[in-house]
Amino acid sequence: ETGVTQTPRHLVMGMTNKKSLKCEQHLGHNAMYWYKQSAKKPLELMFVYSLEERVENNSVPSRFSPECPNSSHLFLHLHTLQPEDSALYLCASSQAQSSYNEQFFGPGTRLTVL
Amino acid sequence: GEDVEQSLFLSVREGDSSVINCTYTDSSSTYLYWYKQEPGAGLQLLTYIFSNMDMKQDQRLTVLLNKKDKHLSLRIADTQTGDSAIYFCAENSGGSYIPTFGRGTSLIVHP
Repeated sequence: ETGVTQTPRHLVMGMTNKKSLKCEQHLGHNAMYWYKQSAKKPLELMFVYSLEERVENNSVPSRFSPECPNSSHLFLHLHTLQPEDSALYLCASSQAQSSYNEQFFGPGTRLTVL
Repeated sequence: GEDVEQSLFLSVREGDSSVINCTYTDSSSTYLYWYKQEPGAGLQLLTYIFSNMDMKQDQRLTVLLNKKDKHLSLRIADTQTGDSAIYFCAENSGGSYIPTFGRGTSLIVHP
């Protein structure tokens, strides 16, 4: 257990569905991240929130919409996804106050888009 | 090209040493990390090294850093089947706390 939980662990959705991924951290960290991990590409940073404000958005399509209501919770809202969006979505948190930045990852949500 | 590069696969025999290599491009990197990802799990920090060091040892793990060549390696002594996993190299520079990850090296340990 890393102190970061993600739900659901597996999700199958059609292209017209709307779903949300949830991440919760119990470590008192001030930064949270969404990553996409697929077989064909390196680990892709999608969104970064620091002190509940979004600080980075790496040109992610608008069909992915993040939400960070407080420092412990992070959501990724999904709508009208494409089959190429099928991947493992990893959430991470860290105490981002210095250049040393150990990230604590959740187990991921395996997403399949039909 | 990618900022952090690793070979994709490494196969070793149980009991041998494994060496996983990584190269990076950012000369201002301050911290460099090795993460391990086991099947069905997220990444977990294995070890890290600060850029003013050239070696760090922690039980079976040895990290070597060559700043001149921007080369990082992770040596696992007496590799066991439980070491089979994907190993990610990552770095962040002083200007940003957000790390850049490599593609990961799949380590396969066979009897």
